[in-house]
Amino acid sequence: QKEVEQNSGPLSVPEGAIASLNCTYSDRGSQSFFWYRQYSGKSPELIMFIYSNGDKEDGRFTAQLNKASQYVSLLIRDSQPSDSATYLCAVNFGMDSSYKLIFGSGTRLLVRP
Amino acid sequence: DVKVTQSSRYLVKRTGEKVFLECVQDMDHENMFWYRQDPGLGLRLIYFSYDVKMKEKGDIPEGYSVSREKKERFSLILESASTNQTSMYLCASSLGSDTQYFGPGTRLTVL
Repeated sequence: QKEVEQNSGPLSVPEGAIASLNCTYSDRGSQSFFWYRQYSGKSPELIMFIYSNGDKEDGRFTAQLNKASQYVSLLIRDSQPSDSATYLCAVNFGMDSSYKLIFGSGTRLLVRP
Repeated sequence: DVKVTQSSRYLVKRTGEKVFLECVQDMDHENMFWYRQDPGLGLRLIYFSYDVKMKEKGDIPEGYSVSREKKERFSLILESASTNQTSMYLCASSLGSDTQYFGPGTRLTVL
């Protein structure tokens, strides 16, 4: 069974702090990893994706991938109240399910002004 | 920019009705997906399609069917709506195994 696990939160951080969101997955052969942001009542929107071990930075966002330990993280620097949302981790496990993404249930982030 | 549109944002239907949810994408993507999202259960895949007239069951296909007659359009059909199908329905599309782009969602209420 391919699974993606996230802490449901809420994760509460003060404005300006670094928010760290974590995700673990069950299959070492997984190929690609995605972070989506979802505001309440809206659909998920892509923040970034990562394929290779290490860090990938895009503005205030950094994705970190460690395939040996089977986790992927999202760091949000200088958190803003507008970052308050649910963050979904998604994994493409490859092989016979190469079209599909498996989503975690999401972590709710609250940024306090 | 990828654009995925869904036919309705809000829909209210009665138990036993046949319900059609339409999804259209304008980026010539091969793959299209239908999910439902419920509090505490996350996104669950109902069906997906990797080509015209091709479809595969996802994790929760029971009570649903799909149709893909044209590449840009993927329809979800509830043959006989039931109250436990009240949910947010999300359509997505992707090129190959790449990023999935979501439509705005349809919040369906079955009374």
